[in-house]
Amino acid sequence: DIQMTQSPSSLSASVGDRVTITCRASQSISSYLNWYQQKPGKAPKLLIYAASSLQSGVPSRFSGSGSGTDFTLTISSLQPEDFATYYCQQSYSTSYMYTFGQGTKLEIK
Amino acid sequence: EVQLVESGGGLVQPGGSLRLSCAASGFTFSSYAMHWVRQAPGKGLEYVSAISSNGGSTYYANSVKGRFTISRDNSKNTLYLQMGSLRAEDMAVYYCAREGYYYGSGSYYFSFDYWGQGTLVTVSS
Repeated sequence: DIQMTQSPSSLSASVGDRVTITCRASQSISSYLNWYQQKPGKAPKLLIYAASSLQSGVPSRFSGSGSGTDFTLTISSLQPEDFATYYCQQSYSTSYMYTFGQGTKLEIK
Repeated sequence: EVQLVESGGGLVQPGGSLRLSCAASGFTFSSYAMHWVRQAPGKGLEYVSAISSNGGSTYYANSVKGRFTISRDNSKNTLYLQMGSLRAEDMAVYYCAREGYYYGSGSYYFSFDYWGQGTLVTVSS
């Protein structure tokens, strides 16, 4: 199985900050990498698919990059509504085993 | 509007069974693979099970293999998860999700573009 590792596990930042979250795959997954945002008590929401494509309706301050094993999610200028937990997910596996990273909790400083 | 609505969660004793349902609307259900993902209290997302669009292929995480069965009824636009031999560690919010796809750079890319609101399964005596 492909393992996904995110860093950091938690992060404190202020409104207006630029924030970067990293995700590393245990093997090359090309660009088969998605990012989700989850707020407490809510279902996850797709932000980025195929490593760098912005899902419809997602603000342009969110961006994704990377390929192979190393990926990043960047929020260019944090807004109050961005404080949440973020998960990466690989969709490279041909057996539907689309594993998630352990999550990064973004908190207000 | 795409909607996924889970139901069937509740309190069950260890060793018991439960069937979750996910009613889909707003899209051609029979054209999409579907997935179940769970989240234990205070924990991250855990992949559980998947089924192809026609139901011919299924997948299970090792943690539920042999105990859970995924199925779908395309005539009723409904996804199911039959859970048996339930354990304390199965306690979680269970989400159904649609596998969306995007074609670009000569390849198909997959993601979970729509999720249900989740249904809570509590395993306790």
